[in-house]
Amino acid sequence: EADIYQTPRYLVIGTGKKITLECSQTMGHDKMYWYQQDPGMELHLIHYSYGVNSTEKGDLSSESTVSRIRTEHFPLTLESARPSHTSQYLCASSEITSFREQYFGPGTRLTVT
Amino acid sequence: GQQVMQIPQYQHVQEGEDFTTYCNSSTTLSNIQWYKQRPGGHPVFLIQLVKSGEVKKQKRLTFQFGEAKKNSSLHITATQTTDVGTYFCAGPNAMKTSYDKVIFGPGTSLSVIP
Repeated sequence: EADIYQTPRYLVIGTGKKITLECSQTMGHDKMYWYQQDPGMELHLIHYSYGVNSTEKGDLSSESTVSRIRTEHFPLTLESARPSHTSQYLCASSEITSFREQYFGPGTRLTVT
Repeated sequence: GQQVMQIPQYQHVQEGEDFTTYCNSSTTLSNIQWYKQRPGGHPVFLIQLVKSGEVKKQKRLTFQFGEAKKNSSLHITATQTTDVGTYFCAGPNAMKTSYDKVIFGPGTSLSVIP
């Protein structure tokens, strides 16, 4: 079983609040990813990182930001949450070698009221 | 841009029936991955195919990579209720600058009627 963790699992928050979704992995993986997924829909890559101090935006434009100060930690921050941010956010990691399998965390279901 | 498509989008089968989902890419893929996501869960890696025409089996699941490496299929023999979920294929982004990024297909959602 993959050792990748996300907190909180569920979050209901009001519009305008700042939130940080946590993601940690204990596998020593250099690559980490954030995906946004609406229920039953496809995965959209919003951020990825190749290692410490490396972050890139994904294919889906997102108002969120990420940081990678430590290999094991890849938090995602929304400065001002809006109802349009309501979704599931999935964190994943993989080895540095190109196109290796991705290990996904359990996800954070975010609801912005 | 590069597209990865899957058909069908949804499939409802009676338990015991077979099921097949197809994945098609607009560009040649160096390799392809398959993931399964149970309802309310997260994607879990199933398999990776690398060679043209490759066929791999996992119990009742058979995965195939097309000769031209632009399509792939997943076939489940005698479905069980434990097979319920969404099956995603994924391929590497063909753009050199984005090679390490993965493009996921939209998924095929499988329902199994007991």
